[in-house]
Amino acid sequence: DVKVTQSSRYLVKRTGEKVFLECVQDMDHENMFWYRQDPGLGLRLIYFSYDVKMKEKGDIPEGYSVSREKKERFSLILESASTNQTSMYLCASSLRAPLADGYTFGSGTRLTVV
Amino acid sequence: RKEVEQDPGPFNVPEGATVAFNCTYSNSASQSFFWYRQDCRKEPKLLMSVYSSGNEDGRFTAQLNRASQYISLLIRDSKLSDSATYLCVVKDFQKLVFGTGTRLLVSP
Repeated sequence: DVKVTQSSRYLVKRTGEKVFLECVQDMDHENMFWYRQDPGLGLRLIYFSYDVKMKEKGDIPEGYSVSREKKERFSLILESASTNQTSMYLCASSLRAPLADGYTFGSGTRLTVV
Repeated sequence: RKEVEQDPGPFNVPEGATVAFNCTYSNSASQSFFWYRQDCRKEPKLLMSVYSSGNEDGRFTAQLNRASQYISLLIRDSKLSDSATYLCVVKDFQKLVFGTGTRLLVSP
C-alpha cells in the first residue's frame, strides 16, 4: 500500500525553538505539500514543491520554510516556533499530472508550542 | 469570499436516511473537483472525484453544476460508519483548495 509517512504523531515544543517536521512518500510522486488544519479554518496550504530543490509559497508561508533535497522527502521548518503555530500539520503528495486521484495524506503531526 | 464554501453542519440523520451536502466555489476556471472524507483526528482521504456528467459510487452520488459553481454529494441509506466530516475540494492549477468541511452524524 502506498504511503506518506510523517515522522511524529505528537510533538510538544517550546516557544523560540527551531522545529523540523519530516514527511516521506514512497510513491515516486513529484508534488508534495504541507498544510495546517485548524478548527473552523480548514486546511490551509503553507508550502508546496513540484520537484526536487524547488519550492513555492502557499497561502500562509510566514514563519515557515521548507526543504526538498530528495524527491521522496519534504521537510517543514518552523524557524522560531510560536504559540500560534500550535496546529495539526498534514503532509500530502500527488503525481504531477493528471490530478485525477487527488492527494495522499500522511496521518498528521499534532504540534503544541508552549 | 472564501474560494470553497460549505455548511459546517452538523447534519444529524438516522440510519437509512438520505442526506445531501452542497458546496460552492468561487473560481470559474477551476478544473477538477473532489469529495474527501475525514474521520475525527485522522487525515483526509479521497472519497470520490466529481465529473461533469455526475458520477455514482455505491451509495454515494456526486454532481457538478458549473453554471452555478456548486458541487453536491448525496449519501443514500446512511450507515453509522458514514459519520465523519466531508470536505469539498477544488483543483486550482496544481493545488487543491479545501472547504472547511460538513460534519455528518448518523445515529441508530
